[in-house]
Amino acid sequence: GAVVSQHPSWVICKSGTSVKIECRSLDFQATTMFWYRQFPKQSLMLMATSNEGSKATYEQGVEKDKFLINHASLTLSTLTVTSAHPEDSSFYICSAPPSKQGGYEQYFGPGTRLTVT
Amino acid sequence: GENVEQHPSTLSVQEGDSAVIKCTYSDSASNYFPWYKQELGKRPQLIIDIRSNVGEKKDQRIAVTLNKTAKHFSLHITETQPEDSAVYFCAARFGYALNFGKGTSLLVTP
Repeated sequence: GAVVSQHPSWVICKSGTSVKIECRSLDFQATTMFWYRQFPKQSLMLMATSNEGSKATYEQGVEKDKFLINHASLTLSTLTVTSAHPEDSSFYICSAPPSKQGGYEQYFGPGTRLTVT
Repeated sequence: GENVEQHPSTLSVQEGDSAVIKCTYSDSASNYFPWYKQELGKRPQLIIDIRSNVGEKKDQRIAVTLNKTAKHFSLHITETQPEDSAVYFCAARFGYALNFGKGTSLLVTP
């Protein structure tokens, strides 16, 4: 149980275009999902917290107008990188706790490798 | 926010030896401390975790200790094997999200 999927697993786009990444909880409902970014040989950095039915909460330094987050249902959160640039190339990973009340453990999606040319 | 320091950044041990990775955290309200193993290009995998009301937890060759007073926790891997080679991250739960350490690249040589 507690499976999180992401789509696509990898994507290449041209500079200036937008890319949407989907994060789905397959066998549980997730009122909250987290979006992380990981640059090569670096740690996971929390970008934002996605809340079903309300606005996302962004971490300091993350541009909310550039990284659009939508959490329209209890099983789907999306991250759209708008006007992507090469410096946005990274590994994007979502995660979710497995219950509505929240829990300690988080379940990670397999990640999306974004390359902006 | 929570600040998690992790040491060492790289660690090389011979097969069969023990490996220890240490982390410190800054927020005394943190109550959950997981350890993840990450292989290149893959998602982090939870290998062991500990809550703030417990001082030590063990699962076969892996153990974690927590010192709340000193605000540090450690991962211990005994009888290391080449397949233990990976990047390991500690994390501390701050509020509802996790803050990660910078990672330790562990290399186990045969």
